Amino acid sequence: KQEVTQIPAALSVPEGENLVLNCSFTDSAIYNLQWFRQDPGKGLTSLLLIQSSQREQTSGRLNASLDKSSGRSTLYIAASQPGDSATYLCAPSGGGADGLTFGKGTHLIIQP
Amino acid sequence: EAGVVQSPRYKIIEKKQPVAFWCNPISGHNTLYWYLQNLGQGPELLIRYENEEAVDDSQLPKDRFSAERLKGVDSTLKIQPAELGDSAVYLCASSLAGQMGDTQYFGPGTRLTVL
Repeated sequence: KQEVTQIPAALSVPEGENLVLNCSFTDSAIYNLQWFRQDPGKGLTSLLLIQSSQREQTSGRLNASLDKSSGRSTLYIAASQPGDSATYLCAPSGGGADGLTFGKGTHLIIQP
Repeated sequence: EAGVVQSPRYKIIEKKQPVAFWCNPISGHNTLYWYLQNLGQGPELLIRYENEEAVDDSQLPKDRFSAERLKGVDSTLKIQPAELGDSAVYLCASSLAGQMGDTQYFGPGTRLTVL
Protein backbone atom coordinates (compact mmCIF):
# COMPACT_ATOMS: atom_id res chain seq x y z
CA LYS A 1 0.00 0.00 0.00
CA GLN A 2 1.36 3.42 -1.00
CA GLU A 3 2.24 5.74 1.87
CA VAL A 4 3.06 9.41 1.40
CA THR A 5 4.97 11.61 3.83
CA GLN A 6 5.33 15.36 3.55
CA ILE A 7 7.98 17.34 5.36
CA PRO A 8 7.77 19.83 6.98
CA ALA A 9 4.22 19.61 8.31
CA ALA A 10 4.17 23.39 8.72
CA LEU A 11 6.37 26.22 7.57
CA SER A 12 6.29 29.97 8.19
CA VAL A 13 8.67 32.25 6.29
CA PRO A 14 8.93 35.95 5.42
CA GLU A 15 7.82 37.12 2.02
CA GLY A 16 10.39 36.88 -0.77
CA GLU A 17 12.15 33.72 0.36
CA ASN A 18 12.66 30.72 -1.85
CA LEU A 19 11.47 27.50 -0.27
CA VAL A 20 11.31 23.76 -0.79
CA LEU A 21 8.55 21.38 0.20
CA ASN A 22 9.37 17.69 0.37
CA CYS A 23 7.30 14.63 -0.46
CA SER A 24 8.34 10.99 -0.14
CA PHE A 25 6.43 7.88 -1.15
CA THR A 26 7.03 4.21 -0.41
CA ASP A 27 6.06 2.55 -3.71
CA SER A 28 8.18 3.81 -6.61
CA ALA A 29 5.94 2.14 -9.23
CA ILE A 30 3.99 5.32 -9.90
CA TYR A 31 2.39 6.59 -13.10
CA ASN A 32 2.49 10.27 -12.23
CA LEU A 33 2.56 12.64 -9.28
CA GLN A 34 0.44 15.73 -8.76
CA TRP A 35 1.01 18.71 -6.50
CA PHE A 36 -2.04 20.58 -5.23
CA ARG A 37 -2.74 23.58 -3.06
CA GLN A 38 -5.73 23.81 -0.76
CA ASP A 39 -6.97 27.07 0.71
CA PRO A 40 -8.96 26.95 3.97
CA GLY A 41 -12.48 25.65 3.39
CA LYS A 42 -11.84 25.11 -0.31
CA GLY A 43 -11.28 22.24 -2.69
CA LEU A 44 -7.92 21.29 -4.22
CA THR A 45 -6.30 23.25 -7.02
CA SER A 46 -3.93 21.33 -9.27
CA LEU A 47 -0.53 23.03 -9.54
CA LEU A 48 1.70 20.63 -11.43
CA LEU A 49 1.64 17.07 -12.71
CA ILE A 50 4.85 15.14 -13.37
CA GLN A 51 4.75 12.01 -15.45
CA SER A 52 6.87 9.10 -14.19
CA SER A 53 9.18 9.52 -17.21
CA GLN A 54 9.84 13.18 -16.41
CA ARG A 55 12.33 14.70 -13.99
CA GLU A 56 10.69 18.07 -13.47
CA GLN A 57 7.88 20.44 -14.40
CA THR A 58 7.71 24.20 -14.14
CA SER A 59 4.83 26.63 -13.93
CA GLY A 60 5.64 30.25 -13.21
CA ARG A 61 7.39 30.46 -9.83
CA LEU A 62 6.78 26.78 -9.13
CA ASN A 63 9.11 23.95 -10.03
CA ALA A 64 8.44 20.32 -9.13
CA SER A 65 11.02 17.58 -9.42
CA LEU A 66 10.62 13.83 -9.29
CA ASP A 67 13.12 11.11 -8.41
CA LYS A 68 11.02 8.01 -8.84
CA SER A 69 13.75 5.53 -7.93
CA SER A 70 14.28 7.11 -4.52
CA GLY A 71 10.58 7.81 -3.98
CA ARG A 72 10.93 11.57 -3.64
CA SER A 73 9.46 14.73 -5.09
CA THR A 74 10.10 18.36 -4.19
CA LEU A 75 8.13 21.50 -4.86
CA TYR A 76 10.25 24.63 -5.15
CA ILE A 77 8.54 28.00 -4.73
CA ALA A 78 10.57 31.01 -5.82
CA ALA A 79 10.15 34.51 -4.41
CA SER A 80 7.30 33.55 -2.08
CA GLN A 81 4.30 35.88 -1.70
CA PRO A 82 1.58 36.13 0.97
CA GLY A 83 -0.88 34.75 -1.61
CA ASP A 84 1.10 31.50 -1.60
CA SER A 85 -0.14 30.80 1.93
CA ALA A 86 -2.07 27.52 1.77
CA THR A 87 -1.70 23.81 2.42
CA TYR A 88 0.30 22.00 -0.25
CA LEU A 89 -0.43 18.34 -0.95
CA CYS A 90 1.44 15.83 -3.08
CA ALA A 91 -0.26 12.76 -4.50
CA PRO A 92 1.25 9.96 -6.56
CA SER A 93 -0.92 7.76 -8.78
CA GLY A 94 -0.28 4.10 -9.51
CA GLY A 95 -2.01 4.20 -12.89
CA GLY A 96 -3.43 6.64 -15.40
CA ALA A 97 -6.92 6.87 -13.95
CA ASP A 98 -6.19 5.41 -10.54
CA GLY A 99 -7.16 7.23 -7.40
CA LEU A 100 -4.51 9.41 -5.81
CA THR A 101 -2.78 8.70 -2.50
CA PHE A 102 -2.27 11.89 -0.54
CA GLY A 103 0.10 12.97 2.19
CA LYS A 104 -1.12 15.10 5.08
CA GLY A 105 0.25 18.21 3.42
CA THR A 106 2.54 21.09 4.34
CA HIS A 107 0.79 24.10 5.87
CA LEU A 108 2.61 27.14 4.51
CA ILE A 109 2.37 30.69 5.85
CA ILE A 110 4.13 33.53 4.06
CA GLN A 111 4.51 36.55 6.34
CA PRO A 112 4.08 39.97 4.67
CA GLU B 1 -15.07 26.00 -18.96
CA ALA B 2 -17.00 25.18 -15.79
CA GLY B 3 -15.18 23.20 -13.15
CA VAL B 4 -16.44 20.33 -11.03
CA VAL B 5 -19.69 21.32 -9.33
CA GLN B 6 -20.79 19.92 -5.99
CA SER B 7 -23.87 20.49 -3.88
CA PRO B 8 -24.71 21.18 -1.21
CA ARG B 9 -21.61 23.00 0.04
CA TYR B 10 -22.56 22.46 3.66
CA LYS B 11 -24.86 19.98 5.37
CA ILE B 12 -25.72 19.54 9.04
CA ILE B 13 -27.73 16.49 10.09
CA GLU B 14 -28.40 14.46 13.20
CA LYS B 15 -26.92 11.01 13.53
CA LYS B 16 -28.92 8.14 12.01
CA GLN B 17 -30.35 10.47 9.35
CA PRO B 18 -29.67 9.87 5.65
CA VAL B 19 -27.72 12.35 3.53
CA ALA B 20 -26.83 12.64 -0.16
CA PHE B 21 -24.19 14.59 -2.04
CA TRP B 22 -24.28 15.46 -5.72
CA CYS B 23 -21.43 15.97 -8.18
CA ASN B 24 -21.36 17.23 -11.77
CA PRO B 25 -17.93 16.60 -13.35
CA ILE B 26 -16.19 18.68 -16.00
CA SER B 27 -17.95 18.19 -19.32
CA GLY B 28 -16.55 15.21 -21.22
CA HIS B 29 -14.58 13.76 -18.31
CA ASN B 30 -15.12 10.02 -18.24
CA THR B 31 -13.55 9.29 -14.85
CA LEU B 32 -15.15 10.48 -11.63
CA TYR B 33 -13.83 10.10 -8.09
CA TRP B 34 -15.24 10.57 -4.61
CA TYR B 35 -12.77 11.31 -1.83
CA LEU B 36 -13.21 11.79 1.92
CA GLN B 37 -11.08 14.36 3.76
CA ASN B 38 -10.91 14.44 7.53
CA LEU B 39 -9.62 17.52 9.32
CA GLY B 40 -5.85 17.84 9.05
CA GLN B 41 -5.55 14.89 6.69
CA GLY B 42 -5.16 14.43 2.97
CA PRO B 43 -8.13 13.14 0.93
CA GLU B 44 -8.74 9.39 0.77
CA LEU B 45 -10.34 7.68 -2.21
CA LEU B 46 -13.81 6.21 -1.64
CA ILE B 47 -14.82 5.19 -5.15
CA ARG B 48 -13.79 5.66 -8.77
CA TYR B 49 -16.07 5.49 -11.81
CA GLU B 50 -15.10 4.89 -15.41
CA ASN B 51 -18.15 6.20 -17.24
CA GLU B 52 -21.05 4.56 -15.37
CA GLU B 53 -19.05 1.62 -14.00
CA ALA B 54 -17.60 1.61 -10.47
CA VAL B 55 -14.12 0.21 -11.11
CA ASP B 56 -12.65 0.76 -7.64
CA ASP B 57 -14.92 0.81 -4.61
CA SER B 58 -12.64 -1.12 -2.27
CA GLN B 59 -12.48 1.74 0.26
CA LEU B 60 -16.22 2.46 0.29
CA PRO B 61 -17.91 1.33 3.55
CA LYS B 62 -20.69 -0.52 1.81
CA ASP B 63 -22.78 -1.12 4.93
CA ARG B 64 -23.83 2.53 5.00
CA PHE B 65 -22.39 4.22 1.92
CA SER B 66 -23.65 3.90 -1.63
CA ALA B 67 -22.94 5.72 -4.87
CA GLU B 68 -24.26 5.85 -8.38
CA ARG B 69 -23.35 7.50 -11.64
CA LEU B 70 -26.30 7.20 -13.95
CA LYS B 71 -25.64 7.80 -17.66
CA GLY B 72 -21.95 8.25 -16.89
CA VAL B 73 -22.22 11.95 -16.04
CA ASP B 74 -23.53 13.18 -12.67
CA SER B 75 -22.93 11.17 -9.52
CA THR B 76 -24.57 10.90 -6.13
CA LEU B 77 -22.95 9.66 -2.92
CA LYS B 78 -25.30 8.60 -0.12
CA ILE B 79 -24.85 7.77 3.54
CA GLN B 80 -27.60 5.96 5.41
CA PRO B 81 -27.62 6.10 8.36
CA ALA B 82 -25.00 8.77 9.14
CA GLU B 83 -22.75 8.37 12.17
CA LEU B 84 -20.83 10.97 14.17
CA GLY B 85 -17.57 9.80 12.61
CA ASP B 86 -18.82 10.63 9.12
CA SER B 87 -18.31 14.33 9.77
CA ALA B 88 -15.78 15.34 7.12
CA VAL B 89 -15.45 17.01 3.73
CA TYR B 90 -16.56 14.94 0.75
CA LEU B 91 -14.70 15.86 -2.42
CA CYS B 92 -15.55 14.97 -5.99
CA ALA B 93 -12.94 14.99 -8.78
CA SER B 94 -12.92 14.18 -12.48
CA SER B 95 -10.39 13.48 -15.21
CA LEU B 96 -10.25 12.61 -18.89
CA ALA B 97 -8.12 9.61 -19.82
CA GLY B 98 -4.96 10.75 -21.56
CA GLN B 99 -5.63 14.45 -21.13
CA MET B 100 -2.94 16.47 -19.35
CA GLY B 101 -1.41 13.28 -18.02
CA ASP B 102 -4.74 12.29 -16.43
CA THR B 103 -4.81 15.39 -14.23
CA GLN B 104 -7.56 15.22 -11.64
CA TYR B 105 -9.66 18.33 -11.08
CA PHE B 106 -11.45 18.76 -7.78
CA GLY B 107 -14.70 20.40 -6.80
CA PRO B 108 -15.11 22.65 -3.71
CA GLY B 109 -16.39 19.78 -1.57
CA THR B 110 -19.36 19.25 0.73
CA ARG B 111 -18.69 19.77 4.41
CA LEU B 112 -20.82 17.35 6.44
CA THR B 113 -21.44 17.81 10.15
CA VAL B 114 -23.22 15.00 11.98
CA LEU B 115 -24.62 15.97 15.41
